[in-house]
Amino acid sequence: SQKIEQNSEALNIQEGKTATLTCNYTNYSPAYLQWYRQDPGRGPVFLLLIRENEKEKRKERLKVTFDTTLKQSLFHITASQPADSATYLCALDDTGFQKLVFGTGTRLLVSP
Amino acid sequence: EAGVAQSPRYKIIEKRQSVAFWCNPISGHATLYWYQQILGQGPKLLIQFQNNGVVDDSQLPKDRFSAERLKGVDSTLKIQPAKLEDSAVYLCASSLAHGENNEQFFGPGTRLTVL
Repeated sequence: SQKIEQNSEALNIQEGKTATLTCNYTNYSPAYLQWYRQDPGRGPVFLLLIRENEKEKRKERLKVTFDTTLKQSLFHITASQPADSATYLCALDDTGFQKLVFGTGTRLLVSP
Repeated sequence: EAGVAQSPRYKIIEKRQSVAFWCNPISGHATLYWYQQILGQGPKLLIQFQNNGVVDDSQLPKDRFSAERLKGVDSTLKIQPAKLEDSAVYLCASSLAHGENNEQFFGPGTRLTVL
């Protein structure tokens, strides 16, 4: 069966450290993968998109990797801040028609 | 630029009642999506529109859910009759064009509680 797995347990880190979140998928062949941030009571907000032929993408303190052999994407936040505390969702599209399938999300808590 | 607007923000109904949600996407966005997000889960796509046509409604429970986007702009999602398991946040999103790697812009959602 098709699955997208993200750590269901919250990730707690100290301010200034690098947070690394994992997204693993099974029985999908995504053309691209997206990462979103969701704060309580709000809709998800787009962060980054990485295509199947890209190994790595960066945007300011954010970095995403995409390994189609391992069927995994890693999402890194460097120099984390308490304001980075939120739930992070990965989503993939293996149809090429913007039909996104979301993981369950990982909650990140950054302590001062 | 105004974001995706949704109303109401909250709704509480009894089971077997009907309810409707409204969404106004970002101006110029051809593609509109409705998602259901149950507590602790990621959003699940219910229906996808390109202008006023349905692209995908394979996960829409059509015996009770319906959606329309008559003029290719705003959209309504209806549930009739509601069940307890329909309690969730209903998110509307829009994007520029269908079939391209576009980010989706989400509204704040409508939190539905079915008692």
